[in-house]
Amino acid sequence: DAGVIQSPRHEVTEMGQEVTLRCKPISGHDYLFWYRQTMMRGLELLIYFNNNVPIDDSGMPEDRFSAKMPNASFSTLKIQPSEPRDSAVYFCASSLRRVSTDTQYFGPGTRLTVL
Amino acid sequence: DQQVKQNSPSLSVQEGRISILNCDYTNSMFDYFLWYKKYPAEGPTFLISISSIKDKNEDGRFTVFLNKSAKHLSLHIVPSQPGDSAVYFCAAGGSGNKLVFGAGTILRVKS
Repeated sequence: DAGVIQSPRHEVTEMGQEVTLRCKPISGHDYLFWYRQTMMRGLELLIYFNNNVPIDDSGMPEDRFSAKMPNASFSTLKIQPSEPRDSAVYFCASSLRRVSTDTQYFGPGTRLTVL
Repeated sequence: DQQVKQNSPSLSVQEGRISILNCDYTNSMFDYFLWYKKYPAEGPTFLISISSIKDKNEDGRFTVFLNKSAKHLSLHIVPSQPGDSAVYFCAAGGSGNKLVFGAGTILRVKS
């Protein structure tokens, strides 16, 4: 398997624009996670899905952020409108079974810069 | 409210010596702990884990120690190698069914 795939790898946009980040999890994995990494807060969980259903979105910072998983092989994280404070590296990860004990496999991340 | 804290932002160690990375947690409901390693421009990768029923887990050069009474865990790397230079994240999980990560510690191993 190619691992978790994320696109784009880098995104530079202007404040107010819509940004869409994409993720393809490892085939057969039941769980998908979206994380954000910043210098100040480290790695934060934004939302996770189990079998395409959002389970916990308590980490989503505000209504400007939304995530979908229309099928088992694809998920998106959308920011609309984007703001400079959204600049960070966004990771997608997937795991086979139980969330807290099973290994999570991370994608390479999308570095987002909002000007 | 940071439930998992890595108080040392960075650590520098000479090749061949021991690297000790520390992590503290506040939530006594955590029952599983993991360390992830991250190279630049890559995603974190799983390194080693420990269940709360143990106080030590070893895998080659890597050993994780858990002190439940102090709510503290540490990762020991012996001997340290230049290829170990990376960011190390401590993470904790429990019945809440999600992992909580620390802010990370940058390890530099000098040759």
